[in-house]
Amino acid sequence: ETGVTQSPTHLIKTRGQQVTLRCSSQSGHNTVSWYQQALGQGPQFIFQYYREEENGRGNFPPRFSGLQFPNYSSELNVNALELDDSALYLCASSYIAGGSNEQFFGPGTRLTVL
Amino acid sequence: RKEVEQDPGPFNVPEGATVAFNCTYSNSASQSFFWYRQDCRKEPKLLMSVYSSGNEDGRFTAQLNRASQYISLLIRDSKLSDSATYLCVVNTGRRALTFGSGTRLQVQP
Repeated sequence: ETGVTQSPTHLIKTRGQQVTLRCSSQSGHNTVSWYQQALGQGPQFIFQYYREEENGRGNFPPRFSGLQFPNYSSELNVNALELDDSALYLCASSYIAGGSNEQFFGPGTRLTVL
Repeated sequence: RKEVEQDPGPFNVPEGATVAFNCTYSNSASQSFFWYRQDCRKEPKLLMSVYSSGNEDGRFTAQLNRASQYISLLIRDSKLSDSATYLCVVNTGRRALTFGSGTRLQVQP
């Protein structure tokens, strides 16, 4: 096991609602990245947090936002949910050092938007 | 064109077979390369990093060809437990990992 945890495991929301997903990183890691994985696709990068600041962002609209806390845990917030937001949301933990970018994933939160 | 392209498969092989997956990437500035394994409805798990000199981990061998922007994964003596989706992953140094869509492997008894 990676030691990365996510909550909740499953969530059902309706269009227009807001959702908050949570992630606790592996001990010793200082960076959290969030990914969205639609069915049959590879994960797509949403954003990364390092030292409590956004450290890179993928092609996702501003209604996707996040936070990182002093203990390196993180939240992903999605406002104004759309049907296409239904996906597996993955959190990945890593330690930024040199050129290494090995990332270790949590079990994910499966979000269904009705 | 996708940044990372893989044959989606499925590859159906008998136990004990050798199977190879290929992957191409479009960004020549990519700096690090990985293969992840993903079981159905589970998270991706790091299988191995891929180095220019090639590397081996038990039954798994990964190769990188920077000139052709091509990555491969070879699995020898396939086991039933190898059945999964294999994700080719590159990193351009922007911290984000870029994933292919995955190649599905089904090992048959």
